[in-house]
Amino acid sequence: AQSVTQPDIHITVSEGASLELRCNYSYGATPYLFWYVQSPGQGLQLLLKYFSGDTLVQGIKGFEAEFKRSQSSFNLRKPSVHWSDAAEYFCAVRETGFQKLVFGTGTRLLVSP
Amino acid sequence: ETGVTQSPTHLIKTRGQQVTLRCSSQSGHNTVSWYQQALGQGPQFIFQYYREEENGRGNFPPRFSGLQFPNYSSELNVNALELDDSALYLCASSTGQGQQGYTFGSGTRLTVV
Repeated sequence: AQSVTQPDIHITVSEGASLELRCNYSYGATPYLFWYVQSPGQGLQLLLKYFSGDTLVQGIKGFEAEFKRSQSSFNLRKPSVHWSDAAEYFCAVRETGFQKLVFGTGTRLLVSP
Repeated sequence: ETGVTQSPTHLIKTRGQQVTLRCSSQSGHNTVSWYQQALGQGPQFIFQYYREEENGRGNFPPRFSGLQFPNYSSELNVNALELDDSALYLCASSTGQGQQGYTFGSGTRLTVV
């Protein structure tokens, strides 16, 4: 069965600094991968997705992610973090056959002034 | 374009009671799935509906059931509520194969006392 690992439970970054959130997946074929962001008490907002093609994917709010098949990773990056980026970030992989998303446990991003 | 709307936003129920949560899918989306997100966890897939039929189910007991209506809106029903059912319930809609991603609602916060 597919699984997603987000090894960092919390990350604190200074405003204006760069950010990288790690995501590793377990999947036999080419995965469909997603990054979602969740603000407190809110639903999930899609940041970006990877289905095929260019392994560097651009998303909303200045985020990007790179798919690396050899490392089974799909890390999320942002060159300069803003205070409004403080939230919970979830990586997810879609199972084939039907559209079930398998989520990681999330990484909480804190932004310090 | 309207997004996914869920109702109610918050709900308190007593153990043993039954609850119905509602979801209106995004315009143009014909597939609806439901997720349970316990505090501090990633969302867990409950089930998915396509063309008014359940076509995928996660590891949830039969007391979790659902419906999809001709307008693609959906209901999640939970019978015999248990304390562990306390969670944020998220609805997501998508088109047939999810190629455009999955749009999530803001969720219903269910508290079982």
